[in-house]
Amino acid sequence: GAVVSQHPSWVICKSGTSVKIECRSLDFQATTMFWYRQFPKQSLMLMATSNEGSKATYEQGVEKDKFLINHASLTLSTLTVTSAHPEDSSFYICSAPRGHEQFFGPGTRLTVL
Amino acid sequence: QQQVKQSPQSLIVQKGGIPIINCAYENTAFDYFPWYQQFPGKGPALLIAIRPDVSEKKEGRFTISFNKSAKQFSLHIMDSQPGDSATYFCAASRGGFQKLVFGTGTRLLVSP
Repeated sequence: GAVVSQHPSWVICKSGTSVKIECRSLDFQATTMFWYRQFPKQSLMLMATSNEGSKATYEQGVEKDKFLINHASLTLSTLTVTSAHPEDSSFYICSAPRGHEQFFGPGTRLTVL
Repeated sequence: QQQVKQSPQSLIVQKGGIPIINCAYENTAFDYFPWYQQFPGKGPALLIAIRPDVSEKKEGRFTISFNKSAKQFSLHIMDSQPGDSATYFCAASRGGFQKLVFGTGTRLLVSP
């Protein structure tokens, strides 16, 4: 199947700093990518839809100024958590559709101290 | 209308058993129903998916049963193995390219 990578796989940062997470489709192009957040023992919650060449679409309740999304190319989307706080600690996962399927990255574990 | 309800929350079966996980949806515009398997600390991996024009789909040991009139679908795992122990999520979307709405997840434990 198609491969989606994320970098970094885990990151620890201090409160108030910004963290950038990259999502890449390695063997296919993706005009759309999705960003999810998953808290321990919970389901995946969609945060936003990343659109190549246009602004991201955010789900209700997600602060667009806090979670900056940039779809820089047909294979790369980035999520920047700005002014991170401990409550932003979570598992962030991206996905990219190819054909009728969505392929997920391995996730990024963010811990904010 | 956007919710997908999943049950049970957790499930324990013996090796060789057939765990069954159920999901229900409300939005009749959904037309793509995938199941994902997730191991701790990993991203979800697609197991099998179905569209509403068929009532059943099998891939290896995994089977989806789909009841369009009841707006329900379920995952059966035949001859379950300890390696199947994971969290399983159902999901739904309007087309595979569209955003997915996930169920709440089922933690499956297959005992040796």
